[in-house]
Amino acid sequence: GQNIDQPTEMTATEGAIVQINCTYQTSGFNGLFWYQQHAGEAPTFLSYNVLDGLEEKGRFSSFLSRSKGYSYLLLKELQMKDSASYLCAVRLTGGGNKLTFGTGTQLKVEL
Amino acid sequence: NAGVMQNPRHLVRRRGQEARLRCSPMKGHSHVYWYRQLPEEGLKFMVYLQKENIIDESGMPKERFSAEFPKEGPSILRIQQVVRGDSAAYFCASSPYGGLVGELFFGEGSRLTVL
Repeated sequence: GQNIDQPTEMTATEGAIVQINCTYQTSGFNGLFWYQQHAGEAPTFLSYNVLDGLEEKGRFSSFLSRSKGYSYLLLKELQMKDSASYLCAVRLTGGGNKLTFGTGTQLKVEL
Repeated sequence: NAGVMQNPRHLVRRRGQEARLRCSPMKGHSHVYWYRQLPEEGLKFMVYLQKENIIDESGMPKERFSAEFPKEGPSILRIQQVVRGDSAAYFCASSPYGGLVGELFFGEGSRLTVL
């Protein structure tokens, strides 16, 4: 079966940096996605990695190591509006664009 | 430039009734994915459809649930004889291709409450 693990919740301070980890064990791999979801809203796309390394997009960066089955999402200069659930998802081979999601990490940003 | 549109946003049904959830993909997208999200849980894949075809229904419960994406009109997720355990948020996502290109775009979801 497919297994995607991320911490259930994290707390960080406004202005700080936080790293949200995701490990996966899947049969086949064709990319790892990070989504942000505010309570009661649609998940919105943040980043995508298919090759090893770091992808940077403004305050958000995502890293992938395929050999270790590991990814992280790095959020810099945290703002209160970053309080949300962060979903790690894997696209498997042979599944079209279907994504398999972890349970999400609820991030709380405090003053 | 409308995104993925889902309706109704909120639906209340009594046990035994039917629920119909509709999803119109983004303009130019012909691939639709349905996900279910229970409180405090992640998104669980249900079904993947292309126009007039079910591509992957490996996440659909064997009974009471069905989905379609007709040539014209929105995709519909149908739940017959609803039970309390069906209470959840149902999200639809779309993509322009079936291949390994780009991300999925999600709608705001339909929240089903079964009394």
